[in-house]
Amino acid sequence: DTGVSQDPRHKITKRGQNVTFRCDPISEHNRLYWYRQTLGQGPEFLTYFQNEAQLEKSRLLSDRFSAERPKGSFSTLEIQRTEQGDSAMYLCASSLRLDTVGGSGRYEQFFGPGTRLTVL
Amino acid sequence: DQQVKQNSPSLSVQEGRISILNCDYTNSMFDYFLWYKKYPAEGPTFLISISSIKDKNEDGRFTVFLNKSAKHLSLHIVPSQPGDSAVYFCAARPRGSQGNLIFGKGTKLSVKP
Repeated sequence: DTGVSQDPRHKITKRGQNVTFRCDPISEHNRLYWYRQTLGQGPEFLTYFQNEAQLEKSRLLSDRFSAERPKGSFSTLEIQRTEQGDSAMYLCASSLRLDTVGGSGRYEQFFGPGTRLTVL
Repeated sequence: DQQVKQNSPSLSVQEGRISILNCDYTNSMFDYFLWYKKYPAEGPTFLISISSIKDKNEDGRFTVFLNKSAKHLSLHIVPSQPGDSAVYFCAARPRGSQGNLIFGKGTKLSVKP
């Protein structure tokens, strides 16, 4: 399977604990994204990497959240001192930058299965 | 303030008929639009996309139409199949954004045999 993979698929933790999620993108993709999805909502953007550089962060990404992509391949998302409001599906996506002549690029992002976080 | 709106939370269609899913947006700076399908306990799956310089894109049973003056896009599925039953999300890319896609809340499509 050469799609985006995420680990773990499910995580249950107690409030105040730290959790870390891993994402392995499609191998040739240089862009990696993290999103959060809560019940009844669409995915909400958290942060984006191009190779190892974190280029964009949403205001949703509080200082308790940190993301890394140390070698430009897999990425980790850590949540410190979890709160019940952090309960959500955390989605990772990847894409390959495709800029065509005339500036009309392709911007499809390919998602992994997600990590379901439950904070008790 | 929701920039991408899917005003129908659900849609039910008979197998073989056309499914039309609608999406409205408020930001004229969006330059690329995408549709994703999501089954329970899975991540969203990319379906079809359209650049703002076009008004139609077709891929097999799926066609996306873009009406920039109305800030409206729609996804047509013809013919609808029971396996199409899923939640469909509309997403848009702000011009100049490197990675941020803005999603609607989704429409749950049920295709009945």
